[in-house]
Amino acid sequence: DGGITQSPKYLFRKEGQNVTLSCEQNLNHDAMYWYRQDPGQGLRLIYYSQIVNDFQKGDIAEGYSVSREKKESFPLTVTSAQKNPTAFYLCASSPRQSLSNQPQHFGDGTRLSIL
Amino acid sequence: AQKVTQAQTEISVVEKEDVTLDCVYETRDTTYYLFWYKQPPSGELVFLIRRNSFDEQNEISGRYSWNFQKSTSSFNFTITASQVVDSAVYFCALSEATVGNQFYFGTGTSLTVIP
Repeated sequence: DGGITQSPKYLFRKEGQNVTLSCEQNLNHDAMYWYRQDPGQGLRLIYYSQIVNDFQKGDIAEGYSVSREKKESFPLTVTSAQKNPTAFYLCASSPRQSLSNQPQHFGDGTRLSIL
Repeated sequence: AQKVTQAQTEISVVEKEDVTLDCVYETRDTTYYLFWYKQPPSGELVFLIRRNSFDEQNEISGRYSWNFQKSTSSFNFTITASQVVDSAVYFCALSEATVGNQFYFGTGTSLTVIP
């Protein structure tokens, strides 16, 4: 079945450590997104990518980095500069970023915690 | 300013009761799209419905119905005869034609259906 796979489901980070969250999709979608979810704050956009080798900052990009070397993959790195990384991270995709009428499809999420 | 407001943070109902989840949005675009998603405890956001700004016809799908009113900028979601499996967090989202597929999410409403 087509879908979005996020791994790992749970991740722990030590102080000063970078960690990378994986997101893979086999939906042949051009656009991919990373969101952060905190209790009571809904979903906030971290980064998004419309095509391979291109990505844009969202509302809360500081302390995060991404790459888009392949259409299927959009990994998110939480750097040591992100001082409050504990959250639930969701990856999403849609056929094209320019099409505002397309629903975004979501993965199961990764829960990141600080040790 | 918040583009999508879900004023109800938490709602509890007894099984078989009807429940309405409110969503109020704000946009200057004449072409826009509204979405509802369900987030069960597993974490994945499940797409429920999309409505475009030119179609104010209400929609019913089984026990779910949606009431879109441009005059009050609202897109409310009603669950009839609620069931325990309806317990989840529900998100309303907006995308604007001028911005593309960048979603603005509300903060979500947590629904608990008590058996």
